[in-house]
Amino acid sequence: DAGVTQSPTHLIKTRGQQVTLRCSPISGHKSVSWYQQVLGQGPQFIFQYYEKEERGRGNFPDRFSARQFPNYSSELNVNALLLGDSALYLCASSFTGFDTEAFFGQGTRLTVV
Amino acid sequence: GENVEQHPSTLSVQEGDSAVIKCTYSDSASNYFPWYKQELGKRPQLIIDIRSNVGEKKDQRIAVTLNKTAKHFSLHITETQPEDSAVYFCAAIAAGANSKLTFGKGITLSVRP
Repeated sequence: DAGVTQSPTHLIKTRGQQVTLRCSPISGHKSVSWYQQVLGQGPQFIFQYYEKEERGRGNFPDRFSARQFPNYSSELNVNALLLGDSALYLCASSFTGFDTEAFFGQGTRLTVV
Repeated sequence: GENVEQHPSTLSVQEGDSAVIKCTYSDSASNYFPWYKQELGKRPQLIIDIRSNVGEKKDQRIAVTLNKTAKHFSLHITETQPEDSAVYFCAAIAAGANSKLTFGKGITLSVRP
């Protein structure tokens, strides 16, 4: 039974570039959420998608965007990268996203130089 | 929006002793409270959760208690072992269209052999 998978695991980008991160939820789960975790802090909510529609957005600039596909996988895009975007990006999968258990992928470590 | 505070920020206990980690939340509409354990370089793992219609929940050496009136919830670990050493995050989620997890800043638990 596969868990939440994210790709790539590590990424190094230059300031100003664009990046796409990918997430495949647990089979049967229809909700995907994205979180940013900077060193020493708890994860911060970026987006939640359920049934391919955006359900919620955190306090992040418009440079951050996401989408969910018919197979419930998801992509997170970040444009015009800043040094401050360096973080661990986590994807969480849950059945509905409504106060149900959320399971995290291993994350993508993004370093912006 | 929801604000989750976690204290203390670090906790050191002797192997075999109990550890208690406390969190407070601000949004009275929050109704689901998970706890995550994150080891260095790994994903947050759900270890236990509690819903607002329950006051206490146990799973082997781990228990969580919830006081809705005071808006705080606590994680209790008994008979601590060195492998319990990790960062522990509490989180809260409010029912509604924008169901996002709000995390505390985390506490680093060290279990001394």
